[in-house]
This record gives sequence, C-alpha cells and structure tokens, in this order.
Amino acid sequence: EPEVTQTPSHQVTQMGQEVILRCVPISNHLYFYWYRQILGQKVEFLVSFYNNEISEKSEIFDDQFSVERPDGSNFTLKIRSTKLEDSAMYFCASSRTRLSEQYFGPGTRLTVT
Amino acid sequence: AQRVTQPEKLLSVFKGAPVELKCNYSYSGSPELFWYVQYSRQRLQLLLRHISRESIKGFTADLNKGETSFHLKKPFAQEEDSAMYYCALIAGGSEKLVFGKGTKLTVNP
Repeated sequence: EPEVTQTPSHQVTQMGQEVILRCVPISNHLYFYWYRQILGQKVEFLVSFYNNEISEKSEIFDDQFSVERPDGSNFTLKIRSTKLEDSAMYFCASSRTRLSEQYFGPGTRLTVT
Repeated sequence: AQRVTQPEKLLSVFKGAPVELKCNYSYSGSPELFWYVQYSRQRLQLLLRHISRESIKGFTADLNKGETSFHLKKPFAQEEDSAMYYCALIAGGSEKLVFGKGTKLTVNP
C-alpha cells in the first residue's frame, strides 16, 4: 500500500539556521498538508497546498515558513530562521481529493538548540 | 473558532471491558468528524469518519449534534487497541483538520 514518506526522521539545528523538511506524498494525491505537534500539545494545521499554490494557512504559518513542490514528487517545508519554539514533530499529509482521507507521514522531529 | 476537546488524557481498561473515549466539539455549523489512531511507533491513521457510518476494528462513533459530541466506543476492548486516539474535525469549507489533544488508551490483560 502506498505511503507518505518524510525525511529526515530527526533533524537537529541551531537557532537561526534554515531547515528544509521533505515529504513524498502518495503519487496520485493532489492535496498536500503540513501539520506540527509540539511535545505534549495538539496536532496543529500549518498549511495546505493544491495546484502549486497555498490554499489555506494558519496564523502559525508566518513569513518564516514556506512550502514548495519542486518536482513531481517532493513537497517541502522550509523554515527560514529557526527559533527554539519551532521544535516539534512535523507531519506531512496528502489526500486524493479536497475532503477525502488525509494520509499522514511518519513525521520529522525537529529539535532547535 | 472550531475546537475539539478530549477530556481524558489517559484511559485504562481491562481486556474484554467496554471502552468509551470522549470527544466534544464546538462549532456552530455541521462539521465533519473523524477519529484518528496512532499505535506505538506508527503514523497517524484514520480510524473512522462519521459520514461513512462504518464500524472499524469493532469501534463505532455516533455524532450527537445536541450534545456536540462524537464519542468513540467499543464493547469489548482488546490489548491491540492500546494506542493514542485523536478526535478531529473539518468545518466551514476548510481543508484543515482540527485535532483534540488525544487520549492514550491502555488495555490491560
């Protein structure tokens, strides 16, 4: 069964550095999402992406964040200048249509020191 | 704003006992409701959604609009049901899932 994959599984970075988190959505899916979960807190929506455009974003998704689909398979989340409070588990998800089931990746644990 | 509340952080039952995981939501319209499950060291996966009215792995959930609840139930818990359970909603033409904090279910032998 096809799965969403994410790399790396764990990323450690210093405050102020840029990080790129990578995701490969399921191949026939058209809608892509990023969520994050700070330790002990809820899973929070960051952004959704369709047809090479952001379709919805949360207030968390400020100018420090950007998303890109650089080729036909990858979907990336870039954090331009990381802060301590960006430390979290970041989940990528994809769905075939707009309101169909969202399939989640295993997550990337980002630790900002 | 939409909100999902799962009042129990931890829930522990014995194998064969009934289990109910509570979920309440706040939204003025008609949301779409989901239960996601995360087994140990595995990814989040959809357990069930209210529009499908299915029973998955023996679990059911009924949407009660009057009480704004979507509790998850299983009549006889199994040890393999031990996992983290998240209630979530999509509402108002949005695509985003709004999650509760989750309930960790432990089924003891």
